[in-house]
Amino acid sequence: AQTVTQSQPEMSVQEAETVTLSCTYDTSESNYYLFWYKQPPSRQMILVIRQEAYKQQNATENRFSVNFQKAAKSFSLKISDSQLGDTAMYFCAFSHPLMNYGGSQGNLIFGKGTKLSVKP
Amino acid sequence: NAGVTQTPKFRVLKTGQSMTLLCAQDMNHEYMYWYRQDPGMGLRLIHYSVGEGTTAKGEVPDGYNVSRLKKQNFLLGLESAAPSQTSVYFCASISGTGTFQETQYFGPGTRLLVL
Repeated sequence: AQTVTQSQPEMSVQEAETVTLSCTYDTSESNYYLFWYKQPPSRQMILVIRQEAYKQQNATENRFSVNFQKAAKSFSLKISDSQLGDTAMYFCAFSHPLMNYGGSQGNLIFGKGTKLSVKP
Repeated sequence: NAGVTQTPKFRVLKTGQSMTLLCAQDMNHEYMYWYRQDPGMGLRLIHYSVGEGTTAKGEVPDGYNVSRLKKQNFLLGLESAAPSQTSVYFCASISGTGTFQETQYFGPGTRLLVL
């Protein structure tokens, strides 16, 4: 079964500090894409960072970076120098390459999310 | 570019009523998706389309129908709304070609309340 597990329903961090959100996933495929999405109170889904499973180098986007451990099927998100605007739900998700998988084409499998609160 | 837009933003229905949610994208994307988001849950796939004139079922298709008569539009229909369909509905699209072809771009969501 294809699943994504986010074991931390809620987390909080002080402004300017660093926080790590955990994510594990399960797929039998060797090639796939991993994503972190941010959902602020406006409900808009905003892409934070993406990682291709065939790349060993961890993706980074400014204050956001990932720790991708393919063998362990783990994909954690680190937020450095946390800001008040980082307060949101964070969803981990993965998808399989298009036309390379017998199931749904390119759709995302989501975890249940981690609610992050950044405190001043 | 507007990206992905959804109409309406919010709607209240009575049980048994019907409605259509419209998703439009101006990025010439091939693939489009409808998801629903319930409290404490991530998004779950309802239906999707891999191109104009095609549709397919996702994880939770019951009670919904879809159509993609034009490449830029993907419609989600509820023929007879039920309280269990109270949810936030998201549309998304991907290009299917080129760099970042699998990255999904989401609409702002439609909040639906069925009484």
